[in-house]
Amino acid sequence: EAGVAQSPRYKIIEKRQSVAFWCNPISGHATLYWYQQILGQGPKLLIQFQNNGVVDDSQLPKDRFSAERLKGVDSTLKIQPAKLEDSAVYLCASSRTGGHTGELFFGEGSRLTVL
Amino acid sequence: TQLLEQSPQFLSIQEGENLTVYCNSSSVFSSLQWYRQEPGEGPVLLVTVVTGGEVKKLKRLTFQFGDARKDSSLHITAAQPGDTGLYLCAGADDMRFGAGTRLTVKP
Repeated sequence: EAGVAQSPRYKIIEKRQSVAFWCNPISGHATLYWYQQILGQGPKLLIQFQNNGVVDDSQLPKDRFSAERLKGVDSTLKIQPAKLEDSAVYLCASSRTGGHTGELFFGEGSRLTVL
Repeated sequence: TQLLEQSPQFLSIQEGENLTVYCNSSSVFSSLQWYRQEPGEGPVLLVTVVTGGEVKKLKRLTFQFGDARKDSSLHITAAQPGDTGLYLCAGADDMRFGAGTRLTVKP
């Protein structure tokens, strides 16, 4: 079974530029999560999708971050314009059941550096 | 939002020592998960605890869920260098993580 795929693995941009990250979850997993992990910290939940609907986006900075999962499969996270404090690893995870006892499977992450 | 506090933040020990790390909250969880993350990789699930007072063992790792389902602990017996990593707990109700305990086991 293929794991969660993310791209790009690394991205360096200057502040005020835009960037997009892509995630393809494990086949059949209805729930998809985007996390931001700043160096030395735990993952911070940005947004949770159940199929193509948003379950929780309360911690997503909506003035600059957006995410979509149009067909209920793969997802894109966009940052526009980027700030220095957005430098982090962006992790995508998927789950078959979506919470409670459901296991999250993570991708390797996309590391963003904003200069 | 159910906040999780993990302690200690950092732990450096010698191979063969025992250790315990903690995950605490003022909120009640229906279940709680422990993950381990190695550098350059995403977290990987170790265990899910569901019942208050539950104890689960995974080789040298012992996980306990508090009776009130507000806290959990992870005990490692005879730690090995391969146990090095970031240990994270997450409340399965909202899949929010604590800040983690960064463990280093020196040979």
